[in-house]
Amino acid sequence: GAGVSQSPSNKVTEKGKDVELRCDPISGHTALYWYRQRLGQGLEFLIYFQGNSAPDKSGLPSDRFSAERTGESVSTLTIQRTQQEDSAVYLCASSLTGGQGRYNEQFFGPGTRLTVL
Amino acid sequence: GNSVTQMEGPVTLSEEAFLTINCTYTATGYPSLFWYVQYPGEGLQLLLKATKADDKGSNKGFEATYRKETTSFHLEKGSVQVSDSAVYFCALSNQAGTALIFGKGTTLSVSS
Repeated sequence: GAGVSQSPSNKVTEKGKDVELRCDPISGHTALYWYRQRLGQGLEFLIYFQGNSAPDKSGLPSDRFSAERTGESVSTLTIQRTQQEDSAVYLCASSLTGGQGRYNEQFFGPGTRLTVL
Repeated sequence: GNSVTQMEGPVTLSEEAFLTINCTYTATGYPSLFWYVQYPGEGLQLLLKATKADDKGSNKGFEATYRKETTSFHLEKGSVQVSDSAVYFCALSNQAGTALIFGKGTTLSVSS
């Protein structure tokens, strides 16, 4: 079946503009995660969605970052008033279940490379 | 807080050499531990995992053992191939299981 897909694959924007990144999880996966990977760094957790529960937003770096998920489907990550330090690859992952459950293996999408000029 | 430290790369080896990539962690509780791999031009994928102390994860000839006493999860392979060239990430799950905490990654380059 299809894996996690993300769009766009590349996004170049000017400082101060807003951007929206999209993630389509694997069908049937209840948990969805967003991460950021800056150059030379490991992945940084941003936000976690699990079904209809309140999301875990503890990784969002500032109030310019927000994310939404409709039910157990598509998610969008929005960055308002982009800054140069937001340049990174944004990765989305999904898992069948969340938490410490047995089926919590995260499957990653190819990422969106964001460049803020 | 939780953190993962893995050896700096790049690691350059000849085909059939022995590989070790060190990974140590700091965590509260008993997290699950993971190795992810990113091949050139591909997405991140799970290589192996271990969910409790003394568990050994293995896949594709790679192994790692969850060592609680040394808080380590070193990745090993007895004989690397050119196709193993990739970036390897060590990670642990946070206590709630809502996020993975990753190391910075180690680039492995294997030449024939």
